[in-house]
Amino acid sequence: DIVLKQSPDLQSVTPKERVTITCRASQRIGSSLQWYQQKPNQSPKLLIKFGSQSISGVPSRFRGSGSGTDFTLTIDSLEVEDAATYYCQQSAGLPFSFGGGTKVEIK
Amino acid sequence: QVTLKESGPARVNPTQTLTLTCTYSGFSLESHGMRVTWIRQPPGKALEWLARIDWEDDKFYSTSLKTRLTIFKDTSKKEVVLTMTNMHPVDTGTYYCAQGSYDLIENWGQGTRVTVSS
Repeated sequence: DIVLKQSPDLQSVTPKERVTITCRASQRIGSSLQWYQQKPNQSPKLLIKFGSQSISGVPSRFRGSGSGTDFTLTIDSLEVEDAATYYCQQSAGLPFSFGGGTKVEIK
Repeated sequence: QVTLKESGPARVNPTQTLTLTCTYSGFSLESHGMRVTWIRQPPGKALEWLARIDWEDDKFYSTSLKTRLTIFKDTSKKEVVLTMTNMHPVDTGTYYCAQGSYDLIENWGQGTRVTVSS
């Protein structure tokens, strides 16, 4: 099974700062990686698909990059509403899997 | 508009079998590429992928849980059912069903909380 490791576990950030979250896969997965945002007491929401492809309705400050084993989610100019936990998820091989999550909190 | 809603017992006793139902609308699970996935989340912990059923009735399970899980669909009722046998307190959490086309998980239900306790 493919294992995804996210870092950091927690990031405390000031509004308007840039946030960078990384996700490393245990084997090469091409671009088969998605990013989700989960706010407290809400269901996850798809932010980025296939490594770097945008999702309709998601603000452009959310960017994905990477391929192979190393991926990055960048939030340009963090807004207060972006406080949430972010998960990566691979779709390269079944069973699919999620990373352990990165909590982004506002300073 | 795609919607999914999970239903099932809020509490089960240890060793019992959990049966959860996902009732969906806004798409056809008989359409090429459509899939419904079950995912769970223990309190304060990460998401865990459990099982998936595809439009062709192919079924896939978590490696660690596959002996305990069964997924099936009833397209006439627009339902996908997940059963999990031999429930244990560590299975406590929120269970989500989600829909997507091909390899994406795009639309999620609100989740249903399940507590395993005697």
